[in-house]
Order: sequence, then structure tokens, then C-alpha cells
Amino acid sequence: GDSVTQMEGPVTLSEEACLTINCTYTATGYPSLFWYVQYPGEGLQLLLKATKADDKGSNKGFEATYRKETTSFHLEKGSVQVSDSAVYFCALSLQGSQGNLIFGKGTKLSVKP
Amino acid sequence: SQTIHQWPATLVQPVGSPLSLECTVEGTSNPNLYWYRQAAGRGLQLLFYSVGIGQISSEVPQNLSASRPQDRQFILSSKKLLLSDSGFYLCAWSHGLAGRDEQYFGPGTRLTVT
Repeated sequence: GDSVTQMEGPVTLSEEACLTINCTYTATGYPSLFWYVQYPGEGLQLLLKATKADDKGSNKGFEATYRKETTSFHLEKGSVQVSDSAVYFCALSLQGSQGNLIFGKGTKLSVKP
Repeated sequence: SQTIHQWPATLVQPVGSPLSLECTVEGTSNPNLYWYRQAAGRGLQLLFYSVGIGQISSEVPQNLSASRPQDRQFILSSKKLLLSDSGFYLCAWSHGLAGRDEQYFGPGTRLTVT
């Protein structure tokens, strides 16, 4: 079945370090791909998305490229800040699925000053 | 602009008591609506989704139920809570039936069953 696999956390980085959170997917069709962020005690916020192969989503210094050949959508940021500490979820949505999202299990990021 | 509200924000209920969580969306019409549960340290589990008034699809059979009495109102209920119902409940909405759109999440309700 369709699924999303994320690297397990927690990930602990120092401020200004580079970040990569790996995400790979399995899907029978051509999904849209998303990264959501959840700050402590809050709901999920959409961070970025990509709807077709080779699209690059970007927001707040984060980027992810839709790689069909490797079925991946890795999240990257060149220089993390303490305020980036949160849980990050990769997700996919298939056309005709009535908007249902399939989420990865989430990766907790802690950034130390 | 669209906004989504959930209440209450936190709730502590004894085992066996009833539950009613409410979610409302403003600024859009005919949204798809979703209920998720997030257990401590785990990912999101889709519980119910709705594509219209009175139309509910259940993803996980359990002692919870959902209703959509109005276009932009989604209610999660239980007649008798279990300890395993504790968690963070998130409501979300998306546009129409495209199936490729992002979902927008509410602030969540933290439920503790004692």
C-alpha cells in the first residue's frame, strides 16, 4: 500500500548547522508531497509542498525537491535556528483519494544554541 | 481568509464518561473535514473524514464516532471513553475533492482520560 517513511529522530543540531531529514514514499499513482511542522503543543502547519516531479518546494529557508526516480522528498535547510526546533512530518496525497493524507511518523528536531 | 477552530483546548475526563469535541471552519464552503489522533510520541492516525453534510467515513473502527451537522462543523464523540482514547486530537480541512491539496490543521485538543 501507499506509505511514507521518514528518518527516525530525534535529531539534535547546533545553531547554524545544516539539516537534512530524509523522506521516501511508496505510491501507486502520482502523489503530491508535503512537509508539515508541529511546534510543541500546537497543531500542524504546512511548511512546503510539491505537486509533480522535479518541483522544489521552499519556505522559511527550508527546501525539498520531488524526486520521482528515487521516490524521495528530503527536507533541507542550510542553517538552522533554535526556533526551528519542532517535529517535522512528511506526507503524501493521491489524486482521487478525497484529500486523504498519508503521514510519516515524524522526526523531532532539537536545535541547541 | 480561512480559519479553523477547535474546542476545548484541553480536557480531562474519567474512564466511561462521554466525549464531544467540536471543530468549525470559517471562510470557506464545502470543505473536506478530517479528525486525526496523535498519541504521545507517535504520528498521526486518521480517524474520520467527511466530504459533505451527513457524510462520514471511518478509517479506524473503535468507540469513537463523528458527525457533520453543518457544512463547516465537525464533531467527534464517544459514549464511553477508554484510557486508550487519551491523545492529541486534530481537526483539519481541505478544498474540495481534488485529492492533491494540502490540509489545514486546527490548534488541537489535548484529551487525558483518567
